[in-house]
Amino acid sequence: EAGVVQSPRYKIIEKKQPVAFWCNPISGHNTLYWYRQNLGQGPELLIRYENEEAVDDSQLPKDRFSAERLKGVDSTLKIQPAELGDSAVYLCASTARTLNTEAFFGQGTRLTVV
Amino acid sequence: TQLLEQSPQFLSIQEGENLTVYCNSSSVFSSLQWYRQEPGEGPVLLVTVVTGGEVKKLKRLTFQFGDARKDSSLHITAAQPGDTGLYLCAGGPSGGSNYKLTFGKGTLLTVNP
Repeated sequence: EAGVVQSPRYKIIEKKQPVAFWCNPISGHNTLYWYRQNLGQGPELLIRYENEEAVDDSQLPKDRFSAERLKGVDSTLKIQPAELGDSAVYLCASTARTLNTEAFFGQGTRLTVV
Repeated sequence: TQLLEQSPQFLSIQEGENLTVYCNSSSVFSSLQWYRQEPGEGPVLLVTVVTGGEVKKLKRLTFQFGDARKDSSLHITAAQPGDTGLYLCAGGPSGGSNYKLTFGKGTLLTVNP
């Protein structure tokens, strides 16, 4: 069974440029998360989807970040325009809709804004 | 907002030593999960504890969930260089679904040969 797939693995962009990340969760997983992780820190939730509905986006900086999961499967996270402080690893995770279930993470996208 | 505090933030030990890392909260969780993350990879689940007072063992790792389900500990016996990584705890909210996971900031463990 394929795991959570993210692309690209690495991205270097200049500040003020747009960038997009893509995530394909494990088949059948209803819940999808986007996290941001700074070096040596734990993941911080940006947005959580239940199927195609964003049920928790309180931590998403909506002035520059947007996300979508149109068909309730794969998802994209966009930043426009990027700032230097956005440099981090962006992780996608998915879980099945059962209690105490394991979250499966992708390898992440390492973003560097210069 | 449910917060998980992990301690210590950094830990550097010699191979063969024992260690304990902690995950504490003022909130009750339906379950707690421990993950390990290696450089360049996403976190990988080690264990889930769901019952207050529960103890689970995974080879040299022992996980305990507090009686009140507000805290947890991870004890590693005879640490090895392969144990090096970022250890994260994550909690599922009490009284509701476990869909929303709240992560602590992690303990960065380095085991020196």
